[in-house]
Amino acid sequence: KNEVEQSPQNLTAQEGEFITINCSYSVGISALHWLQQHPGGGIVSLFMLSSGKKKHGRLIATINIQEKHSSLHITASHPRDSAVYICAVRKAGGGADGLTFGKGTHLIIQP
Amino acid sequence: NAGVMQNPRHLVRRRGQEARLRCSPMKGHSHVYWYRQLPEEGLKFMVYLQKENIIDESGMPKERFSAEFPKEGPSILRIQQVVRGDSAAYFCASSPAGRSYNEQFFGPGTRLTVL
Repeated sequence: KNEVEQSPQNLTAQEGEFITINCSYSVGISALHWLQQHPGGGIVSLFMLSSGKKKHGRLIATINIQEKHSSLHITASHPRDSAVYICAVRKAGGGADGLTFGKGTHLIIQP
Repeated sequence: NAGVMQNPRHLVRRRGQEARLRCSPMKGHSHVYWYRQLPEEGLKFMVYLQKENIIDESGMPKERFSAEFPKEGPSILRIQQVVRGDSAAYFCASSPAGRSYNEQFFGPGTRLTVL
């Protein structure tokens, strides 16, 4: 079982819909990241969370440390939001400092 | 303040050749991470470096791969004797410090194709 699981794997929605992408993890973490990747493109960091909730424009990210779960919400979705959204965690404690990634959620917003 | 720079953006090599991928971190960042994204797979951590030090290389393949981050100049990921299975997108990220709560900023990636 992967240490970071995302759902859904694929999501197609109509422009304007409210979008939720979920991320569950099975390890202790010091931080959780939400990343965005367009096809053939680079990776953009959207949020880094260690507790609570963050908002940037139409994007909202929440995390529940006790339940080991995070959600990324997109309000008033737009075709330009179409991308792969990746959840990644930084494990707590010593050892590896690199991120551990989920497999990503492929989001398509249709006009 | 320029972001993380990677070059080349695309690299084509024949089997058996060497590939050198470069990463210049953001100004003021002294920590670099390399990640690999194989086709149809998720991102995987490869190595974490500070200036002149490899801190964690637990994700690096045991053979043919090496990384460095010299005192001056970019970080280099070197792949010797490339094979088709090395074809992937290689991303680097940088951060101002390597512990816990620091955000990593990603470069645009180098897409390596091995013929």
